Amino acid sequence: NAGVMQNPRHLVRRRGQEARLRCSPMKGHSHVYWYRQLPEEGLKFMVYLQKENIIDESGMPKERFSAEFPKEGPSILRIQQVVRGDSAAYFCASSPPPDRVKNIQYFGAGTRLSVL
Amino acid sequence: EDQVTQSPEALRLQEGESSSLNCSYTVSGLRGLFWYRQDPGKGPEFLFTLYSAGEEKEKERLKATLTKKESFLHITAPKPEDSATYLCAVDTNAGKSTFGDGTTLTVKP
Repeated sequence: NAGVMQNPRHLVRRRGQEARLRCSPMKGHSHVYWYRQLPEEGLKFMVYLQKENIIDESGMPKERFSAEFPKEGPSILRIQQVVRGDSAAYFCASSPPPDRVKNIQYFGAGTRLSVL
Repeated sequence: EDQVTQSPEALRLQEGESSSLNCSYTVSGLRGLFWYRQDPGKGPEFLFTLYSAGEEKEKERLKATLTKKESFLHITAPKPEDSATYLCAVDTNAGKSTFGDGTTLTVKP
């Protein structure tokens, strides 16, 4: 039973390039979350998606960042025209559809983005 | 705005020296409070969920408790392998969690 899979684990980009981060949720999970973590800081919520639908994107920067979770394939976090301040670890988590009681999220190992 | 504050930022213990980590929260309506463990270079690993004041959960040397304003993660007789960053998160809407900045625990043999 594979866990949440993120790739690549490490990604190096030069300023102005595009970064694409992929996340395959656990089997049976239909909800995906993306978080950003800067060194010595906690996780900051970015976006919450279910298949073909963005539920909450209140944590996403207004420009350059986008996310999708298509009907088939992994969820993608896309960062266009990267800047040095985008350097961080990006974590994906998945869960089954949340009910009134439980919302346990299972995390991937993260993608570490370095912008030169 | 929902806020989660963890203290201390860092904690150094000798092996066997018990202590507690604190997570204070200010939220509009708590649906659940979560504790995660994060090792360097890895994603957070789920430990506990607490849903109502007075609730307690235990796992090996760890015990989590919850009041209306804060949660404690008690570590009894810690071992070096307990060294990690412990993250607290609160869930106030279906799906969105707010995390604290974590407490980095170091247990010396």
